[in-house]
Amino acid sequence: RKEVEQDPGPFNVPEGATVAFNCTYSNSASQSFFWYRQDCRKEPKLLMSVYSSGNEDGRFTAQLNRASQYISLLIRDSKLSDSATYLCVVNSMNRDDKIIFGKGTRLHILP
Amino acid sequence: GAVVSQHPSWVICKSGTSVKIECRSLDFQATTMFWYRQFPKQSLMLMATSNEGSKATYEQGVEKDKFLINHASLTLSTLTVTSAHPEDSSFYICSASDPRTGNNSPLHFGNGTRLTVT
Repeated sequence: RKEVEQDPGPFNVPEGATVAFNCTYSNSASQSFFWYRQDCRKEPKLLMSVYSSGNEDGRFTAQLNRASQYISLLIRDSKLSDSATYLCVVNSMNRDDKIIFGKGTRLHILP
Repeated sequence: GAVVSQHPSWVICKSGTSVKIECRSLDFQATTMFWYRQFPKQSLMLMATSNEGSKATYEQGVEKDKFLINHASLTLSTLTVTSAHPEDSSFYICSASDPRTGNNSPLHFGNGTRLTVT
């Protein structure tokens, strides 16, 4: 099993719709989780951290399910500007203390 | 918030030459910085972990003699691509986390360097 897995997509979603995608991780000792967005030919930018209790930032909601070892990102009322690749990032906090990136999920918001 | 600056943003060089990329943490001290490479339509791949005052830790398959990393101060790490070849053309990104925000702090990325080797 890969350390961090994401559905590569693309997800083609009409503007205004709600879209959600998950990211699974293999290391049960992982401690911190993040969602980044990356626009084409640009560096990743932090979208939000993911807390155990779940957290919301405007139209974006992130959830963590430790039992099933996945995190999720929900985008409500999607905008054209939400089109990007969303990267799941997991800090394994093991001996190597590696930060592992998922391969990203491509999202296309359609007008 | 924490800011990481990377320079240059893009560079075109001839095959066989060397290129140096700088990564600076502007408002925090970073004992550790990370260097990534990203080929078109692919994910970020960690190349190496740069450690201030000591040798960098390279990921498997990354040639340390080709990708020289120097982390001489708490705010600057450099990656030098030596004897560049066209297959080294890629997007190189550095990152660091602000130690003031704890062990679970997120990574902050430089704006990346697009290297084209002709």
